[in-house]
Amino acid sequence: AQSVTQLGSHVSVSEGALVLLRCNYSSSVPPYLFWYVQYPNQGLQLLLKYTSAATLVKGINGFEAEFKKSETSFHLTKPSAHMSDAAEYFCAVTVNQGGKLIFGQGTELSVKP
Amino acid sequence: SQTIHQWPATLVQPVGSPLSLECTVEGTSNPNLYWYRQAAGRGLQLLFYSVGIGQISSEVPQNLSASRPQDRQFILSSKKLLLSDSGFYLCAWEDSYYGYTFGSGTRLTVV
Repeated sequence: AQSVTQLGSHVSVSEGALVLLRCNYSSSVPPYLFWYVQYPNQGLQLLLKYTSAATLVKGINGFEAEFKKSETSFHLTKPSAHMSDAAEYFCAVTVNQGGKLIFGQGTELSVKP
Repeated sequence: SQTIHQWPATLVQPVGSPLSLECTVEGTSNPNLYWYRQAAGRGLQLLFYSVGIGQISSEVPQNLSASRPQDRQFILSSKKLLLSDSGFYLCAWEDSYYGYTFGSGTRLTVV
């Protein structure tokens, strides 16, 4: 069975600083990996996804993530944080393009002025 | 384009009362449908998924049930709510072309 672990339930950065949200996965078969963002009392918006093509995936709002098989990681980064990036971020895994998405516990990102 | 409608947006219900949350999708046929719950301070837990009309799989034992009476309609129900049923409920659908799309969620508070 596959699973996802997000390290750090809360991350705080200053505006303009690097954002790094960590995600490690476990899967017995090649995974499909996703990052979603959730603003308060809203649904989930897809930031980016890895589907076995390029290991460096670029998403919306300046975010990107790198798939590292040797480290079983899919960390999300953004070079310069904006106040509008404050939200909850979820990493998710599935083992095919359809089927159940398994989510991590989420990381709440705070951005300080 | 594909859209998903989920209602109501917020709901306050007393313990022991019934529940019915509805989710409908447009712009696709025969999607996979999902109900997730997000409890306070916790991640997203998959509750039910459906691959077709009348086909429901439950991921965790609980006080809730789901039904899919039509291809693009997915309903989450309970006969008697518990305090522990409080949370943020998200409906999602998935197809091979668009991938996953999430609804805007229902905030359920059981009092």
